[in-house]
Amino acid sequence: AQKVTQAQTEISVVEKEDVTLDCVYETRDTTYYLFWYKQPPSGELVFLIRRNSFDEQNEISGRYSWNFQKSTSSFNFTITASQVVDSAVYFCALSGERNTGFQKLVFGTGTRLLVSP
Amino acid sequence: EPEVTQTPSHQVTQMGQEVILRCVPISNHLYFYWYRQILGQKVEFLVSFYNNEISEKSEIFDDQFSVERPDGSNFTLKIRSTKLEDSAMYFCASSEDTTNYGYTFGSGTRLTVV
Repeated sequence: AQKVTQAQTEISVVEKEDVTLDCVYETRDTTYYLFWYKQPPSGELVFLIRRNSFDEQNEISGRYSWNFQKSTSSFNFTITASQVVDSAVYFCALSGERNTGFQKLVFGTGTRLLVSP
Repeated sequence: EPEVTQTPSHQVTQMGQEVILRCVPISNHLYFYWYRQILGQKVEFLVSFYNNEISEKSEIFDDQFSVERPDGSNFTLKIRSTKLEDSAMYFCASSEDTTNYGYTFGSGTRLTVV
């Protein structure tokens, strides 16, 4: 079965600190997709990134970066120079071929990030 | 930026009543989904829908639930005879193809059953 583990329940940092959110996944599929979503206090799910299993290149988007390592089944997310507006719950998610052609996303339990001024 | 639109944003209903949650997926998307998030918990898959039929459903999606695409734009989730434990945020999502390109969630409907 597919599984996503976000071991960090809550992280508190002070503004401008760097923070890394961990995501470890389990799947027997050779082709799969990994996602990160942000859920601010208003409740919506904001898409951050989608990465397929064949692309292990790290990605950077502004203050956000992602480290995908198949060898350790991890897809970690780093926010550089955190800001108060980054305060939210962050979810890692996985979809694989066995789930009717990738249609179902399996989410982790989320990491609540609190950034204080 | 194309959006998935959900209405209403918040619905309060009496236990035992039927509710219909509405979604307008992104217009060129072919796959549609409903997810549920009980307060403070993770997001859980309910059902996926393609070509006017359910393609997969979770164990949560029992006979109390049904989905429908009544016209070319709307996608609805009906919950019959609501229970207190149905209180949750319900998210609609859509994607363009089988590789989950453009997998986009709506802003959710918060359902409160009293």
